[in-house]
Amino acid sequence: DVKVTQSSRYLVKRTGEKVFLECVQDMDHENMFWYRQDPGLGLRLIYFSYDVKMKEKGDIPEGYSVSREKKERFSLILESASTNQTSMYLCASTQPGTGYTGELFFGEGSRLTVL
Amino acid sequence: AQTVTQSQPEMSVQEAETVTLSCTYDTSESDYYLFWYKQPPSRQMILVIRQEAYKQQNATENRFSVNFQKAAKSFSLKISDSQLGDAAMYFCAYRSAYSGNKLTFGGGTRVLVKP
Repeated sequence: DVKVTQSSRYLVKRTGEKVFLECVQDMDHENMFWYRQDPGLGLRLIYFSYDVKMKEKGDIPEGYSVSREKKERFSLILESASTNQTSMYLCASTQPGTGYTGELFFGEGSRLTVL
Repeated sequence: AQTVTQSQPEMSVQEAETVTLSCTYDTSESDYYLFWYKQPPSRQMILVIRQEAYKQQNATENRFSVNFQKAAKSFSLKISDSQLGDAAMYFCAYRSAYSGNKLTFGGGTRVLVKP
């Protein structure tokens, strides 16, 4: 089974702090994603990465950056956390190719509170 | 840009009964994929069912089935013989066949199952 692991389930940070959210997948997937989940808004794509060192902005990249130095790890960075970044963050991965079904595999989420 | 709309924030169903969740989407593309994902409380999101737009036959997975109306851009999920374990958030999602593996999600519907 694919396993996507997010380093922290719950975090509490202060405004202005730098925050790192880590995600690791164990299935050698090329594509990785960071989504933000808010009530009523569903999931919105922040950034995604098609492969190592490759990244593209999603729909709401402002205030975020990402890093993908190794294939299995995709990090989301909040350079200076703000209260409006309080949210649930979901990491996902997938592997395109022959017979690709489009299924994303998700981590359990990281709930971030910024005070 | 594509949008996905789930008009029902919450649905309640009696155990063993049937519930239908609505989803509409907006796209100008002809080739795409649609998904329903389930997010149980405090657990990771998993794929429930998938539909390819070029297929006329509605997808079915055990107690879960969809009603895909391409002309109406509608993609509803029917849960038959509801079980307590079906209680979760359900998200409808869209993936274009032309723009990579990103998913666009709806706002979600919370399903409550009454014993």
